[in-house]
Amino acid sequence: DQQVKQNSPSLSVQEGRISILNCDYTNSMFDYFLWYKKYPAEGPTFLISISSIKDKNEDGRFTVFLNKSAKHLSLHIVPSQPGDSAVYFCAASRWGSGGSNYKLTFGKGTLLTVNP
Amino acid sequence: DAEITQSPRHKITETGRQVTLACHQTWNHNNMFWYRQDLGHGLRLIHYSYGVQDTNKGEVSDGYSVSRSNTEDLPLTLESAASSQTSVYFCASRDGTGELFFGEGSRLTVL
Repeated sequence: DQQVKQNSPSLSVQEGRISILNCDYTNSMFDYFLWYKKYPAEGPTFLISISSIKDKNEDGRFTVFLNKSAKHLSLHIVPSQPGDSAVYFCAASRWGSGGSNYKLTFGKGTLLTVNP
Repeated sequence: DAEITQSPRHKITETGRQVTLACHQTWNHNNMFWYRQDLGHGLRLIHYSYGVQDTNKGEVSDGYSVSRSNTEDLPLTLESAASSQTSVYFCASRDGTGELFFGEGSRLTVL
């Protein structure tokens, strides 16, 4: 049972254009969402997060949108740059007190290629 | 700077051998995790720990064990390595903001 789904294994965009990466989740208890970026031969690195009390969070060129009713979030990268080429993982968690809430569940990842 | 390190970065072993992957973090985080990354599966949780002497099974824990004798270290042991355990393994620790910090990974090949 895949609780976090990234249905697009890959995405290719032109430099300067917008990249939109999508993520769906099935567990309605998830209330904290993160995006991680991974280059080959390196560990994933945190990119941006959003809690369920918000529907948008921006950090420079990166914006994450959350649609709770649709259980859907998306990551927008504008403008896209060749250095953004990497695998992007969506992750979800329950927040709050108690250790059992701290597990992150990851999607399978989307390989983004930004062409010069 | 505080960091999280994994060793070895690359290992080749034979079926049936015991293998231990080390993970050491200097942030003093209570929460530590082991994931494996495989093509088509993304990152899957193997084991995790919320503090010293605490260990818990993740979604793909069969054939793996961990121990937590101090805050800094969470070694992952494969008791009898199998070819299905050929993978890239990532250790991570988590702070109070919810963000996971990952090590650089350990690539394990079981022949």
